[in-house]
Amino acid sequence: GQQVQQSPTSLVLQEGENAELQCNFSTSLNSMQWFYQRPGGSLISVFYNPSGTKQSGRLTSTTVIKERRSSLHISSSQITDSGTYLCAMGTGNTGKLIFGLGTTLQVQP
Amino acid sequence: EAAVTQSPRSKVAVTGGKVTLSCHQTNNHDYMYWYRQDTGHGLRLIHYSYVADSTEKGDIPDGYKASRPSQENFSLILELASLSQTAVYFCASSDWGVYYAEQFFGPGTRLTVL
Repeated sequence: GQQVQQSPTSLVLQEGENAELQCNFSTSLNSMQWFYQRPGGSLISVFYNPSGTKQSGRLTSTTVIKERRSSLHISSSQITDSGTYLCAMGTGNTGKLIFGLGTTLQVQP
Repeated sequence: EAAVTQSPRSKVAVTGGKVTLSCHQTNNHDYMYWYRQDTGHGLRLIHYSYVADSTEKGDIPDGYKASRPSQENFSLILELASLSQTAVYFCASSDWGVYYAEQFFGPGTRLTVL
């Protein structure tokens, strides 16, 4: 089964609304990373957040290792926030990342 | 300036042909990775390397070879391309000795096998 579960699968917001994206892991993890991807685009690292809370502008990431979950909060969403958000966990001793299937966010005017 | 670059950015190959995807990084990182992205599967690790002249198998290595001739360069080789290898391929790099360091990705290569 999928080791990294993301929810919701998709989300439609009106500009200015807040978004909460969730990532749950079925195994223990040593690190986690959030990425942003536009259709046909590359993966842009939004947060490298192995544990605790990090904030960057309107984005906040919280990772709770013991509970095997991480969240990404987007406040006051903007149209330019539209795209797919992927979470990935690092596990084992290779440094590899295991990815979720993503949350597709659409922000409407 | 982009720290992880890939070439070509897109490619159309014929079934049974040989395909080489190249990755170059200027991050001075020891770890490099090749992932493929497919609808419904997300990104999965194909091969990785933590030192020049050495490569390791990832989760889906069948049908792929990798080559790491230098710290900066990492190639993915499809000796006999197949339809199922149509996907977007991403290269990434991260720090040596810090297994769980942040990974930085290249722009991707869109491969279509006909």
